[in-house]
Amino acid sequence: QVTLRESGPALVKPTQTLTLTCTFSGFSLSTSGMCVSWIRQPPGKALEWLARIDWDDDKYYSTSLKTRLTISKDTSKNQVVLTMTNMDPVDTATYYCARALSGGSCYPLGYWGQGTLVTVSS
Amino acid sequence: AIRMTQSPSSFSASTGDRVTITCRASQGISSYLAWYQQKPGKAPKLLIYAASTLQSGVPSRFSGSGSGTDFTLTISCLQSEDFATYYCQQYYSYPMITFGQGTRLEIK
Repeated sequence: QVTLRESGPALVKPTQTLTLTCTFSGFSLSTSGMCVSWIRQPPGKALEWLARIDWDDDKYYSTSLKTRLTISKDTSKNQVVLTMTNMDPVDTATYYCARALSGGSCYPLGYWGQGTLVTVSS
Repeated sequence: AIRMTQSPSSFSASTGDRVTITCRASQGISSYLAWYQQKPGKAPKLLIYAASTLQSGVPSRFSGSGSGTDFTLTISCLQSEDFATYYCQQYYSYPMITFGQGTRLEIK
């Protein structure tokens, strides 16, 4: 059974760096074809893809946020970590990690964590 | 980036109605399109992928069609549990994916 769970601070101050962890089970990110994505959703707004990391450690970022994002994985812990620098109130959102429906392809996203709400405020 | 535009942005309907939501891509995406359902406070749920393939466990009243730039999600007979927000998502521009702005379906 595939599960994902996001964790991290609920509140960060402007200019701080956000670190979020996605802890998953039911698959290994060392398996060929596996990948994990991060997506966010500001309150009442649409979904926005942020980043993806693949089994072979290839990393991909949203063009608009590329300079602020870093994604990494710890295969031994079954975790993917996303950091976002220079946080701003507009970054207030629910952050999700997600995995593809099946191995061998990174999309569509068939498995999602429950999301974690991050509020940026002083 | 490929832009996905959904219409309408919101509308109201009654249980038993047949409803259609449209999604248009700013350029051709073949059939690399998925539909998700999201209820308040919950993560999105995959309904349809490859434009028309129903995800396992999703009721058959949901269907998808289209290819290229124009796509539709149809719910043949609305049930109370279908009132939610629906998103289309393209995965043609691998690895970067984009979502539509969402369509909120409310009870009339």
